Order: sequence, then C-alpha cells, then structure tokens
Amino acid sequence: GQQLNQSPQSMFIQEGEDVSMNCTSSSIFNTWLWYKQDPGEGPVLLIALYKAGELTSNGRLTAQFGITRKDSFLNISASIPSDVGIYFCAGRYNTNAGKSTFGDGTTLTVKP
Amino acid sequence: GAVVSQHPSWVICKSGTSVKIECRSLDFQATTMFWYRQFPKQSLMLMATSNEGSKATYEQGVEKDKFLINHASLTLSTLTVTSAHPEDSSFYICSATEVLHSEAFFGQGTRLTVV
Repeated sequence: GQQLNQSPQSMFIQEGEDVSMNCTSSSIFNTWLWYKQDPGEGPVLLIALYKAGELTSNGRLTAQFGITRKDSFLNISASIPSDVGIYFCAGRYNTNAGKSTFGDGTTLTVKP
Repeated sequence: GAVVSQHPSWVICKSGTSVKIECRSLDFQATTMFWYRQFPKQSLMLMATSNEGSKATYEQGVEKDKFLINHASLTLSTLTVTSAHPEDSSFYICSATEVLHSEAFFGQGTRLTVV
C-alpha cells in the first residue's frame, strides 16, 4: 500500500524560530493535507493542497504540494508556544474512496 | 467550518462488556465517515469506511464482528466495540466528509480504557 515518510519525527525549537517539516510518498497523490493534533483531541485541518506546485498559506503556516506529487512540506514561521502539538501530513488519491494515508507525525515542542 | 462531535470523550468499561461510540456531523450531512484508532505517540490507523445506508468497508486486519459500525443516517455513525478486552484500549477518532473527496473533519476522539 501507499506509505508516507514524515520527517523529522520530533523538533525542539525556541519560540520565534521557523519550523519546516516534510512528507514524501512512494506513490503520487491528488491531494495533500496537513493536520495538527493537540493531546487528547482529534486532528484539525490546517491546510489542504489540490494541485502539483501549489503553495498555500494559512497565517504563519505555509505548505506546498510538490511538483512530482509525491511530496509536500509545511513551514511554520515565528513559532509561538501554542504551536506545540503533533503535525500530520496526509495524502489522498481520489479513486481511493476518499481515504487518506497519514504520515507518522512530527512532534513539535516550542520552548518559551 | 464543519463540526463533528464525538461522544463520549472518554469511557472506562469492564472487560467483556460492549461500548458504543457516536460520531455526529452537526452542521452538514456526512455521506462518508471514517473510523480510526490511534495508539500513544503513533499515527492514525484507518479501521473502516462507513457510507450512509450501506455496510462499512473494513481495512485489512480489522475484525468486523469486533468493531461494529452503523451509519444509519447522514449525520450519525456509531462504532461498537464488542466484548472489549484491555488490548482494545485506545484512542478512537472519527472523521466525516460531506461529499466524496471533500475534506474530512475530525471528531474530538474517544479515549477507551478497558479494565
């Protein structure tokens, strides 16, 4: 089946620093999604990407859909303590009954 | 944005009993709902896909008789963990989409502890 490699697995940064994480896939996707999960909660959608090369921002977050359709990255600028959480990428191929494949997550810790 | 509500948020049950978890789309009609299981510090593992009015499609390795899914209306899907055992303890999360290939919104999850 489709596999997603998400890196890094964890990050420890100072408040104010920028963050970058990425996902690569063994196969192509039509949609890339980025979610944030707080402890004990369900994931919340941050950014959805629908087209190869697409670059989309949501506040301090920016994500891109790789040209090859096999990768995506998420950047967070000027991190703040509430950015702490687990970030998941997810890829979806439209003929797969709407199912998404999730990466293993990047745990972000922001030190004040 | 679309709101998906999951109930209960947490439940503790005795081994051998059954537990029902509800997933409701509050402000949209969900044609498709997904059920996931998540172990600590791990990713979401898709258990099954549920379409309104039809039988759920289970992922390989998921026991359909153990995890009963019902999607009787466009706003409600339920997951029943039957004859629960301690190894069923986990975080269960649902997501719902309004139309196929649109974005899925997640519920807040249910922490199940079987003692």
